[in-house]
Amino acid sequence: AQKITQTQPGMFVQEKEAVTLDCTYDTSDPSYGLFWYKQPSSGEMIFLIYQGSYDQQNATEGRYSLNFQKARKSANLVISASQLGDSAMYFCAMREPLGGGADGLTFGKGTHLIIQP
Amino acid sequence: DSGVTQTPKHLITATGQRVTLRCSPRSGDLSVYWYQQSLDQGLQFLIQYYNGEERAKGNILERFSAQQFPDLHSELNLSSLELGDSALYFCASSVEGGPPDTQYFGPGTRLTVL
Repeated sequence: AQKITQTQPGMFVQEKEAVTLDCTYDTSDPSYGLFWYKQPSSGEMIFLIYQGSYDQQNATEGRYSLNFQKARKSANLVISASQLGDSAMYFCAMREPLGGGADGLTFGKGTHLIIQP
Repeated sequence: DSGVTQTPKHLITATGQRVTLRCSPRSGDLSVYWYQQSLDQGLQFLIQYYNGEERAKGNILERFSAQQFPDLHSELNLSSLELGDSALYFCASSVEGGPPDTQYFGPGTRLTVL
């Protein structure tokens, strides 16, 4: 079974609109971390935002926010006021357990976001 | 710029050959991770080293090996290369000082096996 599911292979959004990228996850560990990365066409992986399973508030970083619904096991990325430079692949990833000091990230298959002028 | 460096940027080689990919972590980071990104498998965790010691293994083939040196740089060795090994190989590093231990990725090495 997939641990990270991103159900939107591709999305087209008008510039300046807000966009929500979906991510659901599967874990039985109470301690975990969720990460979002951006991969532009140039190929590098850019860290965007992090949410810990015990965090009381939804994470925010500039125009990025995370809509964390623990009971539903979802961690959707919200990008406000989208810009042409936001066009990229976006990956949701999980690390479990958090703080154990070991193990890599498990990634979803990604969502290809295209911002249209 | 994440502060993680990887060399070479591109590598083209033939089946059956052996290659070495190099990674230098961010200053102060003790952990290095290797990932493979391919069209069919997506992004997969291969292996983690922490301060010179192997810490965790993911989907790493037996033909692949890695090490982390005293100066904390790491190398990923890929041998008996097959066409299916063509992929983008990322190195990432983190502090491992406590959550979230965010992993910062290098620019990647694109390996093409002909």
